[in-house]
Amino acid sequence: GAGVSQTPSNKVTEKGKYVELRCDPISGHTALYWYRQSLGQGPEFLIYFQGTGAADDSGLPNDRFFAVRPEGSVSTLKIQRTERGDSAVYLCASSRQRDTEAFFGQGTRLTVV
Amino acid sequence: DQQVKQNSPSLSVQEGRISILNCDYTNSMFDYFLWYKKYPAEGPTFLISISSIKDKNEDGRFTVFLNKSAKHLSLHIVPSQPGDSAVYFCAASEGNTDKLIFGTGTRLQVFP
Repeated sequence: GAGVSQTPSNKVTEKGKYVELRCDPISGHTALYWYRQSLGQGPEFLIYFQGTGAADDSGLPNDRFFAVRPEGSVSTLKIQRTERGDSAVYLCASSRQRDTEAFFGQGTRLTVV
Repeated sequence: DQQVKQNSPSLSVQEGRISILNCDYTNSMFDYFLWYKKYPAEGPTFLISISSIKDKNEDGRFTVFLNKSAKHLSLHIVPSQPGDSAVYFCAASEGNTDKLIFGTGTRLQVFP
């Protein structure tokens, strides 16, 4: 596709449930990033993939959060035992290589009730 | 510990005038700075960037200035247009790391 695609655009889940958020990066982009944006804040780094491997996962808040990119293209962010504090917009971005001009998707708004 | 700060949550400017958005940072290891623009329900869109070896970068109506000694950068938009109304985020990165550290954003409103 022409841009970074994220699905679903909105997700409402109950506290304690498991959720998966999907990101389709721009074709040919080897670098992929996940960010989280809470209300009134800027995007906060979660994890960065170069190809299939997580090159930097220092932003993942705890072990309930996990992300994969098995074939070096699509990535899935997985959140176990969701908490109300996980409610935010989860943004995915990709870039051609390691250059820092990253292109963002429209985000997935996660609401934990 | 907010390493990138945008102290003005909002700014209102008349169409045709200059908009100046400010950003301060605390980490002297940051060497690459970017501005992103965000419309509601969309992801941030890259606008302009500057490397720490420069003090100015210009692209059309947009100019970014970097003052390393003051750890300050600014985005100038001139002339401002109503379509520029959006939230603007300043971001920075360090050396070989690939993560961007974002500020909290400034909401710009350009009125006719």
